[in-house]
Amino acid sequence: DAKTTQPNSMESNEEEPVHLPCNHSTISGTDYIHWYRQLPSQGPEYVIHGLTSNVNNRMASLAIAEDRKSSTLILHRATLRDAAVYYCITNQAGTALIFGKGTTLSVSS
Amino acid sequence: DTAVSQTPKYLVTQMGNDKSIKCEQNLGHDTMYWYKQDSKKFLKIMFSYNNKELIINETVPNRFSPKSPDKAHLNLHINSLELGDSAVYFCASSRTSGGAETQYFGPGTRLLVL
Repeated sequence: DAKTTQPNSMESNEEEPVHLPCNHSTISGTDYIHWYRQLPSQGPEYVIHGLTSNVNNRMASLAIAEDRKSSTLILHRATLRDAAVYYCITNQAGTALIFGKGTTLSVSS
Repeated sequence: DTAVSQTPKYLVTQMGNDKSIKCEQNLGHDTMYWYKQDSKKFLKIMFSYNNKELIINETVPNRFSPKSPDKAHLNLHINSLELGDSAVYFCASSRTSGGAETQYFGPGTRLLVL
């Protein structure tokens, strides 16, 4: 079973920032936090990952709480192409990614 | 160039048939995976191979048999197909099996068993 909790759905307007929350209260000290997204009729796509510190890349930012029991994926300016299911996953080295239900993000123009 | 490719993209077949799905990655990765996404959209790991050796084998019926002829290929053979096997099957690869490794997914094979 997935070890993370995410809202089922969120809505955003184009050009606005989006904050997608994730709770992982049972995370262990060596678990990584990954975010993937799945656009309609496509395979999952890597977004970002982190361990303890906040992370930035060209797609998004990942803010990790100090106690690591939660994290937030930040899309700085949502576009229509960002409409997808976003999955927050925690795992240890050498183990599989366990996908939960994810958050379905809708973006309106 | 497509990083992770799967064939066929669509597969419609009758119950009881045997079918194979092929996966190839041109990323030079050591680790490959098969996932199943059912009608409720849950994505579940089935198998993982590292350097042609099986490292993850989830609770999957033994009608499913993965085969890795080399590091770049991981094929999935399914015997005696059942209605419940209808799903989208995704192949993925990563540089190694480490926890922080990014997985790259293929476009999926949509299997419909009639």
